[in-house]
Amino acid sequence: AQKITQTQPGMFVQEKEAVTLDCTYDTSDPSYGLFWYKQPSSGEMIFLIYQGSYDQQNATEGRYSLNFQKARKSANLVISASQLGDSAMYFCAMTVNQFYFGTGTSLTVIP
Amino acid sequence: DAGVTQSPTHLIKTRGQQVTLRCSPKSGHDTVSWYQQALGQGPQFIFQYYEEEERQRGNFPDRFSGHQFPNYSSELNVNALLLGDSALYLCASSLVVRGSRYGYTFGSGTRLTVV
Repeated sequence: AQKITQTQPGMFVQEKEAVTLDCTYDTSDPSYGLFWYKQPSSGEMIFLIYQGSYDQQNATEGRYSLNFQKARKSANLVISASQLGDSAMYFCAMTVNQFYFGTGTSLTVIP
Repeated sequence: DAGVTQSPTHLIKTRGQQVTLRCSPKSGHDTVSWYQQALGQGPQFIFQYYEEEERQRGNFPDRFSGHQFPNYSSELNVNALLLGDSALYLCASSLVVRGSRYGYTFGSGTRLTVV
């Protein structure tokens, strides 16, 4: 069975500082994708970053980087230089034919 | 290039009624998946349509049904609505290339309230 676990219901970070959002996953399928999405109050799922299970290097997209530790089955999201507009829900997800989502982490950026 | 379009954006229905939600995939995408996101939860997979057939289904009752049209757009139908069906319904489209799916794109969702 596939499972995504996000253990941080809520996080606070000072503006301009970095923050790490935790995600662990479980699957027996050797081929999978790991995603992070941002969901503001409007509801839209905004794609942030993707890591394939066979990718050797950690993915980066601007201020976002994914700390992929395959042996530990973790895929933590690092946001550098936090901005007020980063305040939102963040979901970690895994694809094995379909998306499996975690329960999300609510991030609040403090001025 | 339009992304995924969902309609309506908001909907209020009475318990026991039926509802139809619509999704137009991103241009060039051929697969549509539907997700239910209850308040404070992560999205849960309902089903996926490819080549006008339901290919996979999550743990949802038969009251939830769908359809995919030749232009790849899709509908989600829910019969005999329950209060617990109140949620944000998200549609995601993707493209199958050599057996793998790429380009997952989500719509903004339809917020359904059952009273």
